[in-house]
Amino acid sequence: DTEVTQTPKHLVMGMTNKKSLKCEQHMGHRAMYWYKQKAKKPPELMFVYSYEKLSINESVPSRFSPECPNSSLLNLHLHALQPEDSALYLCASSQSGGMNTEAFFGQGTRLTVV
Amino acid sequence: QKEVEQNSGPLSVPEGAIASLNCTYSDRGSQSFFWYRQYSGKSPELIMFIYSNGDKEDGRFTAQLNKASQYVSLLIRDSQPSDSATYLCAVNKSGGGADGLTFGKGTHLIIQP
Repeated sequence: DTEVTQTPKHLVMGMTNKKSLKCEQHMGHRAMYWYKQKAKKPPELMFVYSYEKLSINESVPSRFSPECPNSSLLNLHLHALQPEDSALYLCASSQSGGMNTEAFFGQGTRLTVV
Repeated sequence: QKEVEQNSGPLSVPEGAIASLNCTYSDRGSQSFFWYRQYSGKSPELIMFIYSNGDKEDGRFTAQLNKASQYVSLLIRDSQPSDSATYLCAVNKSGGGADGLTFGKGTHLIIQP
């Protein structure tokens, strides 16, 4: 089973709204990631959690707030977003440590900020 | 200097032929190399990964790695129309931890029936 589940699949939110994206995996992976992908661009790394601790923040604006409640769950809290934040948000997971760092992606949440 | 470079294409290949996709990377410390396939509007799907110099084969796919030349390639044999997609090359710097992936811009592959 290489499934990473993201909810919701689609989200439309206003610039004053607060919303959350959710990600879940049951592969026993201890590293989880958030990526942002704009149209016709490659995914760009936002955050990395390793063993439930934030290990990498790629200088992401504070209107994006990640959370890792446990080893299977990853959230991305959104507040006061801008229209340019509209994108496909991808969650991924991998083993942490050693050479087996293959990352498996969820289906993504397509976010539109209006 | 871009970290991972790919020709964006489109690369057009006749059905049944071999598609050859190439990628170069700038960081000599990179340890792990991945090929993802992404259909329009979908998320990236892992096809192959390679860590050691040489070739690695999986079905119709062969990944090739040359660390001295900082070059990774993906060969797709007996190309099918369903192989038409964007192929993303990704690099992980770490050999022992989770650093996330750096992606190339992707090569748009079109298999002509």
